[in-house]
Amino acid sequence: SQQGEEDPQALSIQEGENATMNCSYKTSINNLQWYRQNSGRGLVHLILIRSNEREKHSGRLRVTLDTSKKSSSLLITASRAADTASYFCATDQGGATNKLIFGTGTLLAVQP
Amino acid sequence: NAGVTQTPKFQVLKTGQSMTLQCAQDMNHNSMYWYRQDPGMGLRLIYYSASEGTTDKGEVPNGYNVSRLNKREFSLRLESAAPSQTSVYFCASSEDRSGGSQETQYFGPGTRLLVL
Repeated sequence: SQQGEEDPQALSIQEGENATMNCSYKTSINNLQWYRQNSGRGLVHLILIRSNEREKHSGRLRVTLDTSKKSSSLLITASRAADTASYFCATDQGGATNKLIFGTGTLLAVQP
Repeated sequence: NAGVTQTPKFQVLKTGQSMTLQCAQDMNHNSMYWYRQDPGMGLRLIYYSASEGTTDKGEVPNGYNVSRLNKREFSLRLESAAPSQTSVYFCASSEDRSGGSQETQYFGPGTRLLVL
């Protein structure tokens, strides 16, 4: 069963615009991670935010985490055609299991 | 560093055939994972291995077996392939947990499997 649910499922924007993707989850977490997947490729880690953090930046990426609402958002600023990919959130529920639970992803298309 | 490598990249099987998907990592990670990815389903964990010599079931283990051959290698075996196992398979590895937290996972390029 999926822990994270991304919203929207698909997003199409123009180059230079900002893209925002949201992730909701169901149980308490140790951390939440965002990954990117280009078509036909493996996933690449983008950013990790821990449960005691509220916001994190990495280059053009900004991630927020609201543990009271069990949600996170990924903002990509000044998007480029190369940002076209699927984006997944993944949550670490902690406890005895050392595994991530992935959401179903948001497909982002950036039009040149 | 090659990171995480997987072989083969593509495979076509007939129902009932068997095959082994190979995965190796050169990052000295203790933890390794096998996922399958189906359209609209995200990634689902099949099996994982927290350390050499240990393996545990994930969300969808039925029809699969795994072997943690050594610290570098983690293989996934389909004993009798079924059309429902048509999917893209990803191997991943991660560093040891720090303070009980699951850290970044590093993924291989995937194996595309078609079962007829």
